[in-house]
Amino acid sequence: DAGVTQSPTHLIKTRGQQVTLRCSPKSGHDTVSWYQQALGQGPQFIFQYYEEEERQRGNFPDRFSGHQFPNYSSELNVNALLLGDSALYLCASSLGAIKKLFFGSGTQLSVL
Amino acid sequence: AQTVTQSQPEMSVQEAETVTLSCTYDTSESNYYLFWYKQPPSRQMILVIRQEAYKQQNATENRFSVNFQKAAKSFSLKISDSQLGDTAMYFCAFMKSIQGAQKLVFGQGTRLTINP
Repeated sequence: DAGVTQSPTHLIKTRGQQVTLRCSPKSGHDTVSWYQQALGQGPQFIFQYYEEEERQRGNFPDRFSGHQFPNYSSELNVNALLLGDSALYLCASSLGAIKKLFFGSGTQLSVL
Repeated sequence: AQTVTQSQPEMSVQEAETVTLSCTYDTSESNYYLFWYKQPPSRQMILVIRQEAYKQQNATENRFSVNFQKAAKSFSLKISDSQLGDTAMYFCAFMKSIQGAQKLVFGQGTRLTINP
């Protein structure tokens, strides 16, 4: 039973570029959440997707957008990258209202 | 707004000792969930233990147990018979449900080192 998988594991971009991160949820899970973890900090909630719709959003600008596909996988897109977007991006999956999230190993994004 | 505070940035103990990590939180809600996650160098967040606020009994998972004090808004994690593999960052988190969505609010983390 595969857990939450994220790709790529590492990514280097330059300011102003756009990036897409991908996440496949744990088998049987239908809800995907994205978190940003800056160096030395706890993760911060970006948004959550359920039934292909954004259900809730954290305090992030519109440069951060996402998508969920019919197979429940998800993408996180960040436009007009800033140096401050450098962080570990974590994807978490869950099943419906069950309050237990399972995390992937993240994508380390470096913006130069 | 909910906040989670971990007052110990770093802790270090000898193998087989018992260690307690502290966490306090602030909320006006009466029904919520609290979690401890472990983040080893592999970066994956691993769920250690979960506590439902409406349950008075403290949660236990093998060597891991919590001391949940609802009135004091305190949620500490006790690791018994610590092992080298317990070395990791530990994050306390509060789960808030907003219009059906579940959002985790994390503390700043405690770096735990188990020494041989």
